[in-house]
Amino acid sequence: AQSVTQLGSHVSVSEGALVLLRCNYSSSVPPYLFWYVQYPNQGLQLLLKYTSAATLVKGINGFEAEFKKSETSFHLTKPSAHMSDAAEYFCAVSDSGYSTLTFGKGTMLLVSP
Amino acid sequence: SQTIHQWPATLVQPVGSPLSLECTVEGTSNPNLYWYRQAAGRGLQLLFYSVGIGQISSEVPQNLSASRPQDRQFILSSKKLLLSDSGFYLCAWRAPTSQPTDTQYFGPGTRLTVL
Repeated sequence: AQSVTQLGSHVSVSEGALVLLRCNYSSSVPPYLFWYVQYPNQGLQLLLKYTSAATLVKGINGFEAEFKKSETSFHLTKPSAHMSDAAEYFCAVSDSGYSTLTFGKGTMLLVSP
Repeated sequence: SQTIHQWPATLVQPVGSPLSLECTVEGTSNPNLYWYRQAAGRGLQLLFYSVGIGQISSEVPQNLSASRPQDRQFILSSKKLLLSDSGFYLCAWRAPTSQPTDTQYFGPGTRLTVL
């Protein structure tokens, strides 16, 4: 079965600092991976997704993620954090039948001035 | 363009009362539809998904049920709510092609509090 693990339920950074949110996957088939963001009391919004076309994926709001097969990772990064980036971030992987997504437990990003 | 609606936005219900949450999608046909629940500290849990009218797959045995009476309508129900049913309920849709790279698009959610 496919699964993702997000290390760290909370990550704190200062405004302007590098953001690094970790996601490791386990998959019996070639993985298709997603990062979503959720602002308080709202639905999830897609940040980016890995489609196997390129290992470095650029998304919205300046975020990007790199697929590393050797490390089974798909970490999310942003060079410089903004206050508006404070939200919960979810990594997800398509199941083997490609009908559903399996989500990680989420990482809350806190940005301090 | 496609849009997804959920209502109500918030709901406070007593234990033992019934529940009906509705989700509708506009601008697409025969979408895959999903119900998720977020409870405090438990991440995003898939409850049900549907690939067509009357076709419901249950992921977690529980006090809830789902129905899809129309192509773009997905309803989450309960006959008797439990305290543990409290949470944030999210509906999502996805293109019917079931390609692995298809994005799931989420609705705004319903906050349910059971007292």
